[in-house]
Amino acid sequence: DIQMTQSPSSVSASVGDRVTITCRASQGISNWLAWYQQKPGKAPKVLIYAASSLQSGVPSRFSGSGSGTDFTLTISSLQPADFATYYCQQTYSFPLTFGGGTKVEIK
Amino acid sequence: EVQLVDSGGGLVQPGGSLRLSCAASGFTFSSYAMSWVRQAPGKGLEWVSCISDSGGTTYYADSVKGRFTISRDNSKNTLYLQMNSLRAEDTAVYYCAKHRGSSATSYDYWGQGILVAVSS
Repeated sequence: DIQMTQSPSSVSASVGDRVTITCRASQGISNWLAWYQQKPGKAPKVLIYAASSLQSGVPSRFSGSGSGTDFTLTISSLQPADFATYYCQQTYSFPLTFGGGTKVEIK
Repeated sequence: EVQLVDSGGGLVQPGGSLRLSCAASGFTFSSYAMSWVRQAPGKGLEWVSCISDSGGTTYYADSVKGRFTISRDNSKNTLYLQMNSLRAEDTAVYYCAKHRGSSATSYDYWGQGILVAVSS
C-alpha cells in the first residue's frame, strides 16, 4: 500500500499569511494526487487534482505542485474561509489512500 | 447540477447489516467510477471501496474486504454499499464520491454523508 504522509499536522496562521502544506508518498505516484478541503460537519471539497490542476471555481490563491513522491499545497494569502482541514489523496493505485490531514487554525 | 444524496445510515448492533444508497443526478451516472469514503468521529478520511463505471470491477480496503459489497444500478442512477458483519470500528460518516472519470481518478463531487453507528 502507498502511505501518504502530510506535514505539518496543524498550523496556526493569520489572515494574509502564505501557508504551505506538504504531502509525501511512500513510492512514486507520478502526478496522481489530489488535495481536498474539509470544514467541520461538511463533506470534503476538491481543490487541486493531477497534482497541480485547479478545480473549477476554486480561488487562484490555492496552488499545487510536485511529482513523484513530494507534493505541496500552497495558499498564497490565507482568507477567513480557508480555515479548515486539508487532505491529500493518491489515486495511483489501490487501495486509494489519504494523508492524515492538516488543520489550518487561526493564530 | 451534480447531486449525490446519501441515505440508509443509522444505529445497528455489532454483527448486524445495513445498506447505504447514493442517489445521483445531474450527470451521466453510467460514465463514471464511484467510491465510498468514510470518516470515523474525529478522525481522517478513509477510502472504503470503488466500482467502475459499468460495475464490472470493484475494489475494497482490506478493513472491509469480505464484509462489504459495493454495487450500482445504472438504470436507477444509484450506488450502493451493503455492509455485513458490522463492527464498532465501522462507526463513521460514510460519503459517496464521484470520480472525475471512468477510472479511479480524483473525486470531483461528494455526497453529504450519512452516519453509521455500530453499538449494542
